[in-house]
Amino acid sequence: EVQLVESGGGLVQPGGSLKLSCAASGFTFSGSAMHWVRQASGKGLEWVGRITSKAESYVTGYGASVNGRFTISRDDSKNTAYLQMNSLKTEDTAVYYCARRQTGGGLEVRGQGTTVTVSS
Amino acid sequence: DIVMTQSPLSLPVTPGEPASISCRSSQSLLHTNGFHYLDWYLQKPGQSPQLLFYLGSNRASGVPDRFTVSGSGTDFTLKISRVEADDVGVYYCMQALQTPQTFGQGTKVEIK
Repeated sequence: EVQLVESGGGLVQPGGSLKLSCAASGFTFSGSAMHWVRQASGKGLEWVGRITSKAESYVTGYGASVNGRFTISRDDSKNTAYLQMNSLKTEDTAVYYCARRQTGGGLEVRGQGTTVTVSS
Repeated sequence: DIVMTQSPLSLPVTPGEPASISCRSSQSLLHTNGFHYLDWYLQKPGQSPQLLFYLGSNRASGVPDRFTVSGSGTDFTLKISRVEADDVGVYYCMQALQTPQTFGQGTKVEIK
């Protein structure tokens, strides 16, 4: 069974940093692109970014609102993806989900997400 | 960036009746490989989003056949032939053709 467990959320001050983790199991992690999606309270889904697999050269891409501040990485030996968030703003407050891109297409979200609150 | 526009944003439905959600993109989602890079998701209340359709018209595992999709280019439609109580939630379309990938605003389906 596919499992994706997000962790690392918490309360951080504006301008601060936080690193989220996504521990994966139940599928070939090294062969899958991994994405991050977020959702502010009462709002819609927002695509944050993704990292492709080694076979696709670990290419990263980001949403406009986080580009230059957030960095996605992965450790295939640990079956874990990461989201490094710097220069955090109050508008980054949200539940953050990780997702894997399924073979053939579409994102699979399995976890309940991790909550990030940016507030002074 | 590709802008995704859904309508309506709110859709009250009667159980047993059909429902339809429109999704329009600011650019064609047709890839050179012939697939439309358009996915549909449903987020049920209190849950994480779940995949309904991918690459335009491919039904995800476990999705009932009362859900269908149609469309091409920039205009797409998700239809529910007979709405059931379990279908309530917010439906999102998302384009996966270009980075950044972008979601529509979401359509909230609720029972009348």
